[in-house]
Amino acid sequence: DTAVSQTPKYLVTQMGNDKSIKCEQNLGHDTMYWYKQDSKKFLKIMFSYNNKELIINETVPNRFSPKSPDKAHLNLHINSLELGDSAVYFCASSTRLSGELFFGEGSRLTVL
Amino acid sequence: AQSVTQPDIHITVSEGASLELRCNYSYGATPYLFWYVQSPGQGLQLLLKYFSGDTLVQGIKGFEAEFKRSQSSFNLRKPSVHWSDAAEYFCAVGAGDMRFGAGTRLTVKP
Repeated sequence: DTAVSQTPKYLVTQMGNDKSIKCEQNLGHDTMYWYKQDSKKFLKIMFSYNNKELIINETVPNRFSPKSPDKAHLNLHINSLELGDSAVYFCASSTRLSGELFFGEGSRLTVL
Repeated sequence: AQSVTQPDIHITVSEGASLELRCNYSYGATPYLFWYVQSPGQGLQLLLKYFSGDTLVQGIKGFEAEFKRSQSSFNLRKPSVHWSDAAEYFCAVGAGDMRFGAGTRLTVKP
């Protein structure tokens, strides 16, 4: 029973398209995150939600729009995809007390 | 602002040899420090964490790390490396706003 699950695992699309990645956690955590890992393996925080409220919004183009329908789900929608958006996107969750992040397996996005 | 530096991009060790991966951090208060491991095509798995107390922290898979405030370091060690330890290792700082180092890729020679 996967703790943090993301779909899809792989996504190949053309420039200019719109795509979404979904994330669900069954750990009962109150905080969820999106991280972007580039081709050099560098991990950068993009967004964080606590109890459906946006609390971290790093310098990310507004083509990226997170949405949290409830505290167990955090989705990422990307409009007008660009080549530079190609990366692995990781969802993670935590409780605010522990600080420890639990990661999903990642969603590899390739923009052609 | 909090940040993490991992000075070594790539380290190669022989199986059975000892390992030390370096991590230096910048943080305004007492840091929350973490080491994660990422195997190819996988997500990140927590190896160990430090919040307070004993500065020598034991983790999973035989790893340990030592927090040294005077050196702003949190180096990861393992006395005897196994071939299955080959992976990417990330040091991270912070809680609720975790920042990662650039990672160190570990190769294990037979």
